[in-house]
Amino acid sequence: EAQVTQNPRYLITVTGKKLTVTCSQNMNHEYMSWYRQDPGLGLRQIYYSMNVEVTDKGDVPEGYKVSRKEKRNFPLILESPSPNQTSLYFCASSLAGVTYNEQFFGPGTRLTVL
Amino acid sequence: AQSVTQLGSHVSVSEGALVLLRCNYSSSVPPYLFWYVQYPNQGLQLLLKYTTGATLVKGINGFEAEFKKSETSFHLTKPSAHMSDAAEYFCAVSRSNTGNQFYFGTGTSLTVIP
Repeated sequence: EAQVTQNPRYLITVTGKKLTVTCSQNMNHEYMSWYRQDPGLGLRQIYYSMNVEVTDKGDVPEGYKVSRKEKRNFPLILESPSPNQTSLYFCASSLAGVTYNEQFFGPGTRLTVL
Repeated sequence: AQSVTQLGSHVSVSEGALVLLRCNYSSSVPPYLFWYVQYPNQGLQLLLKYTTGATLVKGINGFEAEFKKSETSFHLTKPSAHMSDAAEYFCAVSRSNTGNQFYFGTGTSLTVIP
């Protein structure tokens, strides 16, 4: 089944404790992206990647890191999480750039930083 | 800067009534426009998209949207609401010259009243 998977689905952590949220897709998509969803703000793009070893900042990259060492994986790293990073995070992938192509979304990761 | 405005964070309609969800964009360059739907506790799913060509775009589940350049709008409509349409709807925009960044509106929550 074609899908985007994220792990963990739920995470409660404390300020300053490094964490990684994994994202994997099995569709051989070139483009992958991370979004955060907050009430009243919709989804905002954090980082995106056009291909292996190619990443770019989205609208809200501060406090986050990403890497794209393999085509299928695009982990989101919070080196020192803070409470304002409490949010619902979505990973997405598309065949190529998002200009024309549909993005396929993962189920989301709900992160709480205490 | 690219932005998308969705008028009305909450819309309620009766079952069988017309659904109209509003979306306006700001752009000096013709954008590529999308509507995504998010059902409760799920990721996002593409409803329809406009890239080029016909300005009236038909999507899944009976939804359609019309790109009106003169009004910078891309409103989503459905002639007859069904209970299963209750969800959060997001308008989104991209432009090829933004390096494949993607911008979502703040979302409209649709309630369908039996």
